[in-house]
Amino acid sequence: GIQVEQSPPDLILQEGANSTLRCNFSDSVNNLQWFHQNPWGQLINLFYIPSGTKQNGRLSATTVATERYSLLYISSSQTTDSGVYFCAVSAGGTSYGKLTFGQGTILTVHP
Amino acid sequence: DVKVTQSSRYLVKRTGEKVFLECVQDMDHENMFWYRQDPGLGLRLIYFSYDVKMKEKGDIPEGYSVSREKKERFSLILESASTNQTSMYLCASSWRLAGTGELFFGEGSRLTVL
Repeated sequence: GIQVEQSPPDLILQEGANSTLRCNFSDSVNNLQWFHQNPWGQLINLFYIPSGTKQNGRLSATTVATERYSLLYISSSQTTDSGVYFCAVSAGGTSYGKLTFGQGTILTVHP
Repeated sequence: DVKVTQSSRYLVKRTGEKVFLECVQDMDHENMFWYRQDPGLGLRLIYFSYDVKMKEKGDIPEGYSVSREKKERFSLILESASTNQTSMYLCASSWRLAGTGELFFGEGSRLTVL
């Protein structure tokens, strides 16, 4: 099956810093999503981005499907950005929208 | 907004008990999924359903079963709970069309089996 690798595994920032999280995947995808898991365990959709670039406030994401990677940018980080960021992909076909998740990047933002 | 509701946030059960975890979504999504999340292992798919009464095994179905009698409800059943099923269980739903729908998660159910 498709492999998903995220880097870095851990990231520690001071409030106000910028960061880039990376997601590499091993095959063509028709679905790629970024999620944020908050300290209470809830997974929140950040972006649905199988290709192209999107922005939402301080967050933006770019997927270069031909090169099989996606980047999540966090600017002017805040303590509330702390948590785990997951990239998840689906390779299409008869996948019925099943997503394969990366191992996640644990982000800690200090005040 | 899409709402996916899981019946219990925290459960404590004893080995051998039968455990029901229920999930309800309010967006008429065809697809529903059950994942478990464990430290160091990420999210792993247990079962999914793409229509009422339809179910497919995911990556780790052993020890679990599911039921989908109504479109909005997807239940995960542990017939005889074991300590290695202590985990966070996450339900999710999405549109089926072309398999490209956004996935929406519930708040999670943290199960401890003693």
